[in-house]
Amino acid sequence: DTAVSQTPKYLVTQMGNDKSIKCEQNLGHDTMYWYKQDSKKFLKIMFSYNNKELIINETVPNRFSPKSPDKAHLNLHINSLELGDSAVYFCASSPTDGNYGYTFGSGTRLTVV
Amino acid sequence: DAKTTQPTSMDCAEGRAANLPCNHSTISGNEYVYWYRQIHSQGPQYIIHGLKNNETNEMASLIITEDRKSSTLILPHATLRDTAVYYCIAGPSTQGGSEKLVFGKGTKLTVNP
Repeated sequence: DTAVSQTPKYLVTQMGNDKSIKCEQNLGHDTMYWYKQDSKKFLKIMFSYNNKELIINETVPNRFSPKSPDKAHLNLHINSLELGDSAVYFCASSPTDGNYGYTFGSGTRLTVV
Repeated sequence: DAKTTQPTSMDCAEGRAANLPCNHSTISGNEYVYWYRQIHSQGPQYIIHGLKNNETNEMASLIITEDRKSSTLILPHATLRDTAVYYCIAGPSTQGGSEKLVFGKGTKLTVNP
């Protein structure tokens, strides 16, 4: 079983559309994250949730809305997609107790045309 | 989070040890040194972390200087599959709160046959 799974793996959509990316982890971790990796390969944190509660919200446009229905899932909804939203989005999770590192998903490559 | 400095790129011969340096001169007393790597088109993968003592696991060894201002990740017998971008991060001692892993540019390690 994949520890952190994201769907879809690839997403091509037109400007102005609304899309969602789903993330699920089966590691029993309490904390989940969304990272964005742009064309220059910089990995930047967007959000983190701990037990369904929003903890970190970096300077991300309001068009991005994370939702955590339970601690095993963290979805990312994006409204009114723009060309600049094209990137690879990575979901990750980590335990709260101890610091055993983050486990990342394999990424969702979003292309806005 | 403390900033880290890594060489942009390094080369290593297959079968030889790869020694990846990292400077973190402004690391605070409770920050850990984390190493992750990202193989092309995949999500980042946790490798190892440490606070003061040297650490070893099945993937690598981490050598931290006594003053904690620098560290070296050692891959004892590099293989072609170790070709990746390696990130050194001075990061949180706990997870689940407002702490976050901040990724820099990393070192592009190329293992040559």
